Amino acid sequence: DAKTTQPPSMDCAEGRAANLPCNHSTISGNEYVYWYRQIHSQGPQYIIHGLKNNETNEMASLIITEDRKSSTLILPHATLRDTAVYYCIVWGGGADGLTFGKGTHLIIQP
Amino acid sequence: NAGVMQNPRHLVRRRGQEARLRCSPMKGHSHVYWYRQLPEEGLKFMVYLQKENIIDESGMPKERFSAEFPKEGPSILRIQQVVRGDSAAYFCASSPKYRDSEYYGYTFGSGTRLTVV
Repeated sequence: DAKTTQPPSMDCAEGRAANLPCNHSTISGNEYVYWYRQIHSQGPQYIIHGLKNNETNEMASLIITEDRKSSTLILPHATLRDTAVYYCIVWGGGADGLTFGKGTHLIIQP
Repeated sequence: NAGVMQNPRHLVRRRGQEARLRCSPMKGHSHVYWYRQLPEEGLKFMVYLQKENIIDESGMPKERFSAEFPKEGPSILRIQQVVRGDSAAYFCASSPKYRDSEYYGYTFGSGTRLTVV
């Protein structure tokens, strides 16, 4: 009953922008889009989140389509340390909490 | 400004023993969540606790697993009579007050790797 769909894996060249897509066609009006990543053997790390406006922070940018049915996480200048599994999650703050799917395994190539 | 602290980082138990995993949330965070990650699989929600209260334990196995978050001290995830299938990474996360958590998500600890031999 995953609420999001992501490609299982992607490659990106070091120094280039990494664009990770996510489909969430059944998102509700009060649900945010969250992005986390998990570098091998570490705990998940928060990247960014948004409701309907595009967001940017020191790590990444989040582009949400006008209909909110999909979004793209952009890592502007990918480095080898960005190799990780990236999770797109929709959540409205309910007690069910963050539900992690399989994510996208992003591999940054030197 | 310590993050979410989990200990031990690695825990080895023989089948039938008890495993106790500890989690100290970030300062100011009153909500704790436990997740389990089996080898080569995604994170699965187990339980959500506030101080002295279990809010949602829908992801906890019905037997041998329990969790608590006492008024004082860390949150504890207890696994009794461990079996090989319990071998996994157990992650704890914390968040501030419930209404704030939707804006910031959770902060995760580094996890406890449980190996049952």
